[in-house]
Amino acid sequence: LAKTTQPISMDSYEGQEVNITCSHNNIATNDYITWYQQFPSQGPRFIIQGYKTKVTNEVASLFIPADRKSSTLSLPRVSLSDTAVYYCLVAIYNQGGKLIFGQGTELSVKP
Amino acid sequence: EAGVVQSPRYKIIEKKQPVAFWCNPISGHNTLYWYRQNLGQGPELLIRYENEEAVDDSQLPKDRFSAERLKGVDSTLKIQPAELGDSAVYLCASSQLGAGGYNEQFFGPGTRLTVL
Repeated sequence: LAKTTQPISMDSYEGQEVNITCSHNNIATNDYITWYQQFPSQGPRFIIQGYKTKVTNEVASLFIPADRKSSTLSLPRVSLSDTAVYYCLVAIYNQGGKLIFGQGTELSVKP
Repeated sequence: EAGVVQSPRYKIIEKKQPVAFWCNPISGHNTLYWYRQNLGQGPELLIRYENEEAVDDSQLPKDRFSAERLKGVDSTLKIQPAELGDSAVYLCASSQLGAGGYNEQFFGPGTRLTVL
């Protein structure tokens, strides 16, 4: 059964760059890979979305290799307020384009 | 601009009782999603609507769960009867028309359900 896989947790320090990778096979050819951030007692919040290669916005970058079997969310110079759970969302081709969230990566940023 | 509104925020019921959750999406968003999120896990899609039509309900436990989106705006998710394993946060999200794989989803704060 196709699914997404992320590290369960990561630790970092303020000012460092953090890279979180999501592994996914058989994703839908024309669908985007999306990353969300979630704080306790809140719904997920959109961070970035991409289709291929590299996408950058004001808060993050998204790297997608040519084989599209994984994607990496890059957070430059994290701060304490970036402590949250990060989820990737993909559409899985061999499940009819079903939307599947990863299990989430709990990022802890320390002073 | 108002975000996705959900009510109630919290609900505690005894098993075998019915429960309903309500969602009002962002104005102009044609696509509406209901997710269930268990503690420590990612959201799991239960149903996705495009306007009034349920286009993906493959993960909705139809023996006890039902949903409706009359007039293509507000939506209600119902569980009858509730079981202990239904304790979770139920999230509603909306987006512009189109598959969720393409469009940014905007999530509400969720309803935390506890079944005793």
